[in-house]
Amino acid sequence: GAVVSQHPSWVICKSGTSVKIECRSLDFQATTMFWYRQFPKQSLMLMATSNEGSKATYEQGVEKDKFLINHASLTLSTLTVTSAHPEDSSFYICSAREVRRAETQYFGPGTRLLVL
Amino acid sequence: GENVEQHPSTLSVQEGDSAVIKCTYSDSASNYFPWYKQELGKRPQLIIDIRSNVGEKKDQRIAVTLNKTAKHFSLHITETQPEDSAVYFCAASRYGGSQGNLIFGKGTKLSVKP
Repeated sequence: GAVVSQHPSWVICKSGTSVKIECRSLDFQATTMFWYRQFPKQSLMLMATSNEGSKATYEQGVEKDKFLINHASLTLSTLTVTSAHPEDSSFYICSAREVRRAETQYFGPGTRLLVL
Repeated sequence: GENVEQHPSTLSVQEGDSAVIKCTYSDSASNYFPWYKQELGKRPQLIIDIRSNVGEKKDQRIAVTLNKTAKHFSLHITETQPEDSAVYFCAASRYGGSQGNLIFGKGTKLSVKP
């Protein structure tokens, strides 16, 4: 139980294009989903918190117009990196918090983004 | 806001020895402390967690201790095995109400030598 999937697992795109990453909770309902960014050999940096049916809360320094987050249902949140640039290349990981055990976060497998 | 410090950044032990990783946190209101294991290129996996109303929790070879007064918590792995080699992250959260974001430490790379 408590499985989180992400799609795609990796993507290569040209500078200036937009990339959408999906995060799904497969066997539970997630009231809240989180988006993290992880650079090589570094920790997870929280980018934003996404609640179903409401606007995402972004961490300080994260551009909301650059990283669009939509949480349309209790099982799906999407992160769109708009007008991607090489400095946006990173490992993006989502996590989901289960309704019944609300403090625990389960992580997706991550999406590796490379912007050329 | 919350700040989590984690030490050491790297740890190398012989198979069968114990490993201890320590974390401190700054927000006395934090009440949930999970530990995650992340293998290279993979997702973080929750291995154990502890809430502020408990001082110690154990699950087979893994244990976590919490000292609320000193605001630090530790991960203890006994009888280490090569498959324990990974990066371990501690985190703290002030779960309750609208809060609940995990603030992560910088990670500890554990290497278990056979």
